[in-house]
Amino acid sequence: NAGVMQNPRHLVRRRGQEARLRCSPMKGHSHVYWYRQLPEEGLKFMVYLQKENIIDESGMPKERFSAEFPKEGPSILRIQQVVRGDSAAYFCASSRDTEAFFGQGTRLTVV
Amino acid sequence: QKEVEQNSGPLSVPEGAIASLNCTYSDRGSQSFFWYRQYSGKSPELIMSIYSNGDKEDGRFTAQLNKASQYVSLLIRDSQPSDSATYLCAVNPGAGSYQLTFGKGTKLSVIP
Repeated sequence: NAGVMQNPRHLVRRRGQEARLRCSPMKGHSHVYWYRQLPEEGLKFMVYLQKENIIDESGMPKERFSAEFPKEGPSILRIQQVVRGDSAAYFCASSRDTEAFFGQGTRLTVV
Repeated sequence: QKEVEQNSGPLSVPEGAIASLNCTYSDRGSQSFFWYRQYSGKSPELIMSIYSNGDKEDGRFTAQLNKASQYVSLLIRDSQPSDSATYLCAVNPGAGSYQLTFGKGTKLSVIP
């Protein structure tokens, strides 16, 4: 039973480019969450999605960030026109109910 | 604003000792509580969940919950150097919500 799969593991983007991060939840899990973690800091909630629905996006910056979880395929976190401050580890988690399991994360570096 | 508070540490304990990690939360209606372990540069790993008042034991780990005091703790018996990591407390508010609020974590260092 595969765990939460995130790709890519590492992503380097130049300022102004788009970053697209993918997350495939564990089998049977319908809830997906995205978190951001800066070095030496805690996990910051960004968005909570179910299939085709955004349930809570209260942690998402109002501009440049978007997320989706389509009926088919992985959840996508998209960051447009990246800036240096977007450099962080982005973690996806999935759950069937309240127990959430994390993927390995995508380390985004903006140069 | 729902908050989860942890002492950032670092907490240093000698090998073989009991490590005690504490967490308080602000939302009195919270229903589910979790401890995650995160090694440096890695993703959080779920190690304990607790839903009702009292103690829950799993191997060397014991989670303790006191809803009246809004307090949850994690005890690690016979601490090993491999337990050195950051421990994250997470709280689910219940009421149909599945998302978690995380504390900033306590860094534990087990000294050989």
